[in-house]
Amino acid sequence: AAGVIQSPRHLIKEKRETATLKCYPIPRHDTVYWYQQGPGQDPQFLISFYEKMQSDKGSIPDRFSAQQFSDYHSELNMSSLELGDSALYFCASSLREEAYNEQFFGPGTRLTVL
Amino acid sequence: AQSVTQLGSHVSVSEGALVLLRCNYSSSVPPYLFWYVQYPNQGLQLLLKYTSAATLVKGINGFEAEFKKSETSFHLTKPSAHMSDAAEYFCAVSETSGGGADGLTFGKGTHLIIQP
Repeated sequence: AAGVIQSPRHLIKEKRETATLKCYPIPRHDTVYWYQQGPGQDPQFLISFYEKMQSDKGSIPDRFSAQQFSDYHSELNMSSLELGDSALYFCASSLREEAYNEQFFGPGTRLTVL
Repeated sequence: AQSVTQLGSHVSVSEGALVLLRCNYSSSVPPYLFWYVQYPNQGLQLLLKYTSAATLVKGINGFEAEFKKSETSFHLTKPSAHMSDAAEYFCAVSETSGGGADGLTFGKGTHLIIQP
């Protein structure tokens, strides 16, 4: 079965640079979520989108922005990168008409800021 | 606001022994509860979910969990541990009802170690 696809899988950036992470949800899924997992930490919810509209907002820094496109894929844009942004970034997707908010996670993008 | 507490950041059991990972939640409305497993350098895989249909939930890989409202708990168990169960386990809560796009709130995770 098709899963959530994230690209790139690994990314290395310098401080103050920008980064763009991409997420392709499971086919038919209309909702995407972004999470940040620091080393040895639990995943922290950043933001979610349903039908291209922001649905829920968590602890996303002002330096980050995200959007969902008409084909339901999503991009997380990160500017003025800081060392503390080094983390594993997960995208998850779900189908809103299915209740219970069951989210399927991608393999993650490991961002390293030097 | 919702929250999850996982007791024990590390749990060690012998192969073949009972696995018990503890999770307590706090939620202002009836919650949806999930257990995810994460292997090193991999994503999160759903083990099981509680959606109010049944208090005893069976998941993949022989795991199950029981929802106890009076104790606000959702502990994860497996009768007999296998070496392949060694991983990080996260309990998560969502307050969405009837569908939605709310983010999950995760516990700090429990690292399960299996002794041969």
